[in-house]
Amino acid sequence: QQQVKQSPQSLIVQKGGISIINCAYENTAFDYFPWYQQFPGKGPALLIAIRPDVSEKKEGRFTISFNKSAKQFSLHIMDSQPGDSATYFCAAADSGNTGKLIFGQGTTLQVKP
Amino acid sequence: DTGVSQNPRHKITKRGQNVTFRCDPISEHNRLYWYRQTLGQGPEFLTYFQNEAQLEKSRLLSDRFSAERPKGSFSTLEIQRTEQGDSAMYLCASRGQKWEETQYFGPGTRLLVL
Repeated sequence: QQQVKQSPQSLIVQKGGISIINCAYENTAFDYFPWYQQFPGKGPALLIAIRPDVSEKKEGRFTISFNKSAKQFSLHIMDSQPGDSATYFCAAADSGNTGKLIFGQGTTLQVKP
Repeated sequence: DTGVSQNPRHKITKRGQNVTFRCDPISEHNRLYWYRQTLGQGPEFLTYFQNEAQLEKSRLLSDRFSAERPKGSFSTLEIQRTEQGDSAMYLCASRGQKWEETQYFGPGTRLLVL
């Protein structure tokens, strides 16, 4: 029940295209859903996050779509750029508890020029 | 520097040796987390501190692992009698007050046990 499942494992997109990464969770106590970006040899960095009281959040080229009834959420990267090539992790947390993050398995994105 | 710092960045040790890692959180962040990340996987939660109190430990944290956060500032993670399976990236994250949900991660310590 603590798992967060992420797909696809890897993704190749042409420059200017849309990258879509999906995640699903089981624990209905989760109420905070961030996406992190990680470059090789670096720690994860927060991209964007959402709480379940909204169905969509947009920041620049990054959008989270959230479906509470399906217990799914996704990250859309519009106008993907080569600099977006990185590993992306979705995560979930029960903010009323310790707030520890449960991460998905990660998606390696390659944006081809 | 206002970010989370971790030292050392890399550590190579022989099986059976003890190692200690340090994490300096963002100043005034009273919440601190340790995670472990193996190659190709997402980070896995190890332990959580609120100020100096260790409030949660994962079952991943065997008896060989111990973490401290004296005075609620920096934190240390010690692994005794290292095993090859301990090879991983050890990540520290800090977070502010309860209503501030963002966890800020450090660069990690890469451990290789030979």
